[in-house]
Amino acid sequence: DVVLTQTPVSLSVTLGDQASISCRSSQSLEYSDGYTYLEWYLQKPGQSPQLLIYEVSNRFSGVPDRFIGSGSGTDFTLKISRVEPEDLGVYYCFQATHDPYTFGAGTKLELK
Amino acid sequence: EVQLVETGGGLVQPGRSLKLSCVASGFTFNNYWMSWTRQAPGKGLEWVASITNSGGSTYYPDSVKGRFTISRDNAQNTLYLQMNSLRSEDTATYYCTRGAHWGQGVMVTVSS
Repeated sequence: DVVLTQTPVSLSVTLGDQASISCRSSQSLEYSDGYTYLEWYLQKPGQSPQLLIYEVSNRFSGVPDRFIGSGSGTDFTLKISRVEPEDLGVYYCFQATHDPYTFGAGTKLELK
Repeated sequence: EVQLVETGGGLVQPGRSLKLSCVASGFTFNNYWMSWTRQAPGKGLEWVASITNSGGSTYYPDSVKGRFTISRDNAQNTLYLQMNSLRSEDTATYYCTRGAHWGQGVMVTVSS
């Protein structure tokens, strides 16, 4: 199974700071069709997860442009520029390239 | 607006069965793959099952393979998860998902 390793486990930030989360895969996430099925989700307290980024770098509808996904192969990054209060919660990366699909363990973004 | 509403959760004894339902609305149900994902209390996300739009193929991780069955009724816009031989480690909130769209989740507690 593909293991997604997220770092850091938790991240303390000041509002307005930039935050960066890494997701490293145990195998390349490029599928045979040329696409890379790596997604990022944010789960706010008491809510269902919400999709932020799909296929590495595409923002889902309505997601602010301060969320930037990047990477390729086995190394991926989610950057949040100018953190706002509504960005706090747990971030998960997720891969749907290889069966079984797997999630990273999560990164908790909290206020310093 | 896409809506996914899960029902059927509750308290069940180890070894018993439970069937979850998810009624979908706001989109053409039979055009989309559907999935179930779960989250144990205080833990991360785990993909549980997926089904193709026709229902012809299904996919599971080893943790539930042979015990859980995903199915769908395209005429009723409803997704199901039949869970047999339940274990304490199956205790979780179960989410019905269609890509970026998640239901509110339903709690399943397996305990004697």
